[in-house]
Amino acid sequence: NAGVMQNPRHLVRRRGQEARLRCSPMKGHSHVYWYRQLPEEGLKFMVYLQKENIIDESGMPKERFSAEFPKEGPSILRIQQVVRGDSAAYFCASSPGMNTEAFFGQGTRLTVV
Amino acid sequence: TQLLEQSPQFLSIQEGENLTVYCNSSSVFSSLQWYRQEPGEGPVLLVTVVTGGEVKKLKRLTFQFGDARKDSSLHITAAQPGDTGLYLCAGARSNTGKLIFGQGTTLQVKP
Repeated sequence: NAGVMQNPRHLVRRRGQEARLRCSPMKGHSHVYWYRQLPEEGLKFMVYLQKENIIDESGMPKERFSAEFPKEGPSILRIQQVVRGDSAAYFCASSPGMNTEAFFGQGTRLTVV
Repeated sequence: TQLLEQSPQFLSIQEGENLTVYCNSSSVFSSLQWYRQEPGEGPVLLVTVVTGGEVKKLKRLTFQFGDARKDSSLHITAAQPGDTGLYLCAGARSNTGKLIFGQGTTLQVKP
């Protein structure tokens, strides 16, 4: 029973490029959450999605960031025109329902050079 | 605004000592979760507490949820080097789905 799978584990992008982070939830889970973590800090909520729907994007920056969770395939967090301040670990979590326990993937560490 | 305050932020102790980590808020949560995170890895869920006053034990770890569901504590008895890591508390509110995390407590247990 595979856990939450994120890829790539490490991603290096030059300023101005696009970053695409992928998340495959656990089997049977239809709720996906994206969080961002800066060094030695807690996780900050970004967005909450169900299949084909964005439920809560209150933590997403207004520009350059978008997320989707299509009917088929993984959830994608997309960052356009990356800047150095986007460097962080991005974690995806999934759960079977809204108020149920969430399980995290291993994260994608984005470095913008 | 930090809705969940964890203390202490850093803790370095000797093997065999006891310790307590606190997670405090002025807000009420429907549940509270504790995670442990190792460098380069994702958070791993340790426990979820739901009922005010609830106490849960996981081997040498004891978790408590405050009566008013605003605070929680994690107590580790006879800490071991394998307990070293970042401990995170996270609160959930009904019908929102998202978790609100504390800033974490970095624990180092020296042999």
